[in-house]
Amino acid sequence: GAGVSQSPSNKVTEKGKDVELRCDPISGHTALYWYRQSLGQGLEFLIYFQGNSAPDKSGLPSDRFSAERTGGSVSTLTIQRTQQEDSAVYLCASSSGGPDTQYFGPGTRLTVL
Amino acid sequence: GEDVEQSLFLSVREGDSSVINCTYTDSSSTYLYWYKQEPGAGLQLLTYIFSNMDMKQDQRLTVLLNKKDKHLSLRIADTQTGDSAIYFCAESMNRDDKIIFGKGTRLHILP
Repeated sequence: GAGVSQSPSNKVTEKGKDVELRCDPISGHTALYWYRQSLGQGLEFLIYFQGNSAPDKSGLPSDRFSAERTGGSVSTLTIQRTQQEDSAVYLCASSSGGPDTQYFGPGTRLTVL
Repeated sequence: GEDVEQSLFLSVREGDSSVINCTYTDSSSTYLYWYKQEPGAGLQLLTYIFSNMDMKQDQRLTVLLNKKDKHLSLRIADTQTGDSAIYFCAESMNRDDKIIFGKGTRLHILP
């Protein structure tokens, strides 16, 4: 079946603008994760949704970042008033349970000019 | 706090074994992972190990875990050019929990 998909694949925006990044998880996966990969910084956890539980937002770097997951499926990561340091590849992953069931999407490369 | 450390670069001759090392700080980590990221490709889970195991072998891959020292290693036997990638060490406390990644080790294969 289809894997995790993300859109857009690339996004270039001007500093101060808001952006929305979309993640379509694998159908039936109850857990959804957002990570950020910056040059030289590895993969940084941002936020995690599991079923109907309250999301773990402990990785969000500032209050400009927020995420929603509608109907237990699609998720949107919103970055308000983007800054140049927000430039990174934003990765989404979903999981159906178990350590070997997490699959990553191809990522959205965000460039803030 | 949670932290995963690994060296940033490793160069290995084709045919030799590659050993990538990692240390982690959270003693309550239950699952430890190795992910592979090839240029232009997504992140791929290579293997994982439960914290109550010492070793796991899967074809050319061997994972060793020293829980006392919080040290994890990945050995790739008979390294091939296709093994050239960034390898991420990672850990999580529970299944489905958030995964904490290291910065990745870039493996370069010498001819």
